[in-house]
Parts: sequence; C-alpha cells; structure tokens
Amino acid sequence: GAVVSQHPSRVICKSGTSVKIECRSLDFQATTMFWYRQFPKQSLMLMATSNEGSKATYEQGVEKDKFLINHASLTLSTLTVTSAHPEDSSFYICSGVGLSGYNEQFFGPGTRLTVL
Amino acid sequence: ELKVEQNPLFLSMQEGKNYTIYCNYSTTSDRLYWYRQDPGKSLESLFVLLSNGAVKQEGRLMASLDTKARLSTLHITAAVHDLSATYFCAVDMMKDMRFGAGTRLTVKP
Repeated sequence: GAVVSQHPSRVICKSGTSVKIECRSLDFQATTMFWYRQFPKQSLMLMATSNEGSKATYEQGVEKDKFLINHASLTLSTLTVTSAHPEDSSFYICSGVGLSGYNEQFFGPGTRLTVL
Repeated sequence: ELKVEQNPLFLSMQEGKNYTIYCNYSTTSDRLYWYRQDPGKSLESLFVLLSNGAVKQEGRLMASLDTKARLSTLHITAAVHDLSATYFCAVDMMKDMRFGAGTRLTVKP
C-alpha cells in the first residue's frame, strides 16, 4: 500500500518551454502532497506544500509563478515548470500524506528534468 | 529555524564492520524518519520512529530516537556491499518534514 507514481520519469526539454509533472497516489487519498527538488549530491529541498482544493504554500525563495502547482483531487497533484531554464534541471520528487493519523510521507519515484 | 544535522556526511567502511550515523535536530519533534536513496532513485522508507525511546531493527540496520536529546541514530551491523547508498533522516514538523544533508555510505569488500 501507499504507492505514489510520477509521470514522466524523465524529460528533456528546450529552454523556454513548459513542462508538467504529474504525481498520483495510487492506493490512498493524499490530503496533502509535497514537491521537492534535489540537485546532484544534495539533500531534498521542499519547494511547496499543496492541499487538495486550495492554493499551494511555497517555501521561501521558490517562485510560485514559475512552479505552478495544482492539487485538483485527493489523488493527483501536478507541478508545471514554466519557461524552463537550464538551472531548473533537477530531480523533482513528490510525496503524499494519507490519513494514517501521523504525517508519514510516501514518495514518488521522481522525475529527472533536463533543460537544454 | 530548524536545523537537521547528520554526521558523518561521507562514510567509507569495510564489509563486516559496524558503524553509527547520527542525526541531531534543533527543535522539538516526536517523530523521525530514516530513508535510503540509491543513485538516480527516489527515497525508500526504512524506519518510522514515533516516540521517545523508539527502537526499530530491520536486518543489519537499527534506528533509535531520543527526543529529549533531539538525537536519532542509525546503526549498521556487519556491513555488506548492498548497504552502499545515501541515508537521510527527516524530522516531522507536523506541517511538513525537514531532511538532513544525507550520509553517503560506501561499503568496500
């Protein structure tokens, strides 16, 4: 149980284009989903927290107009990187929190974004 | 601001040896998680520690939590090559989770 999927697993795009990453909780309802970014050999950095049906809360330094997050249902959150640039190249990981009573996060497999 | 400090950041050890990774954090929390990450992969949950004094063991790994000392440990017993990976601790802050920098473990024959 508690499986989270991400799509795509890997994407290469040209600078200036937009990329959408989907995060789905497959066997549980994720009341809250988190988006992280991980640069090579570094830890996970929280980008934003999204709750179903409400606006995402972004961490300091993360541009909300550049990283658009939509959490339209209890099983789907999307992250759109708008006007991507090479410095946005990173490993993006989402996670979902279920209804277990404590806040354990279940992580997706990640999406490797490369912006040329 | 919450700080989560892991040490060591890099650990090279021989097979068969024991070692402990430490995770210190700077604010009150009763819950802490340990994850493993292999290169190019996402996080794999190892342990969920939900209270002071919690101790959990799985194979050659054992994790403990001392909330009064704000310290968690991940002990490796008789290391094998398959344990080579990066290990992260993460502190539950109720509204979100904060990660340590990670410990990159290499187990050599």
